[in-house]
Amino acid sequence: DTEVTQTPKHLVMGMTNKKSLKCEQHMGHRAMYWYKQKAKKPPELMFVYSYEKLSINESVPSRFSPECPNSSLLNLHLHALQPEDSALYLCASSQDSYPGIQYFGPGTRLLVL
Amino acid sequence: AQSVTQLGSHVSVSEGALVLLRCNYSSSVPPYLFWYVQYPNQGLQLLLKYTTGATLVKGINGFEAEFKKSETSFHLTKPSAHMSDAAEYFCAVDGGYQKVTFGIGTKLQVIP
Repeated sequence: DTEVTQTPKHLVMGMTNKKSLKCEQHMGHRAMYWYKQKAKKPPELMFVYSYEKLSINESVPSRFSPECPNSSLLNLHLHALQPEDSALYLCASSQDSYPGIQYFGPGTRLLVL
Repeated sequence: AQSVTQLGSHVSVSEGALVLLRCNYSSSVPPYLFWYVQYPNQGLQLLLKYTTGATLVKGINGFEAEFKKSETSFHLTKPSAHMSDAAEYFCAVDGGYQKVTFGIGTKLQVIP
């Protein structure tokens, strides 16, 4: 199973809402990533979890809060987002020793109104 | 710090023609290099990778890339384009410390 799943596929939320994005993989990967991708741009790294511990936070605003409940799951909690946060949010995973070989989920398309 | 530069944000080829997508890298250490493809409304998929060893690497869907250290290049090629190859292609370098740096992407259009 080389699949990374993400839910929901689409999400529309107001600026006062609280929502969560979910990501799951069953490949035994110990590194998981959140990326933000705006239209016609490359993915921008947000967070990296390694062995369920946050190892990289790319100075992401606190309205984004990641969580890694176990080695297979990764969440991204959203609160008080801004319209400019609208984007495709991608989750990825990798074996810790080969971080460049990442398996991506299909993404959650987020629209903040 | 490692970085990649993709020349040409938009490339158009005729169906059956050669595909050439250019990528140059900058790295202070031997780089690990990758090409990813993204189809509309989907995540990224690894096409191929160069880590060590053979400098000509073959990937999925008939794509290949050659690592040329003297030219600091890692161009992606395919002998004959198919309509299904239309997508966004990202060159990437393993920047170490669990970071991957992506190029700006090249959108490939295949004309029937």
